[in-house]
Amino acid sequence: AQSVTQPDIHITVSEGASLELRCNYSYGATPYLFWYVQSPGQGLQLLLKYFSGDTLVQGIKGFEAEFKRSQSSFNLRKPSVHWSDAAEYFCAVGARKLSFGAGTTVTVRA
Amino acid sequence: DAGVIQSPRHEVTEMGQEVTLRCKPISGHDYLFWYRQTMMRGLELLIYFNNNVPIDDSGMPEDRFSAKMPNASFSTLKIQPSEPRDSAVYFCASSTPSNTKTGDGYTFGSGTRLTVV
Repeated sequence: AQSVTQPDIHITVSEGASLELRCNYSYGATPYLFWYVQSPGQGLQLLLKYFSGDTLVQGIKGFEAEFKRSQSSFNLRKPSVHWSDAAEYFCAVGARKLSFGAGTTVTVRA
Repeated sequence: DAGVIQSPRHEVTEMGQEVTLRCKPISGHDYLFWYRQTMMRGLELLIYFNNNVPIDDSGMPEDRFSAKMPNASFSTLKIQPSEPRDSAVYFCASSTPSNTKTGDGYTFGSGTRLTVV
């Protein structure tokens, strides 16, 4: 069975500071991994994905994520957070069917 | 492309009434997914279709829920009768097999916020 755990429900970060969101997955084969972002009242937007190849993947809005097979992790990072990054972030795993984590809410303080 | 289009954006209905949510996937996408999002349970996959055929409906919570895809450009999710615990945001998403190979995942609609009072 495939599943995703996002250990952090809520993270508060200062504008300009770095951000790291954790994601651990369970999947029977080489995983397809995704990070989505959801702004209030909006649908989910794809930030980045890992399919194969380089374990460090770049996404939109300055985000990157690193796939670590040995740790079953796919953590999302951003070096310098902007106020507009305040949102909820979802990690997902799967091929045809995606399983989503519970999400991490990011608050950005001035 | 206009993306995945869902209607209505908001729906308020009384308990016991029938509710129909609508989704228009992206043209050319042959997979369509219905998800439900609540604070308590997060994002749950309800059902998905491939080429208009339901493939997996194991996430449909009860017989009160039904989904159809009469053609490649339209799908409905119906709740009859509705109950207060059905209050949630319902998302539709679409995809293609090439999206899987390239890892592009799904494209989500903006959702329908359903409130059953």
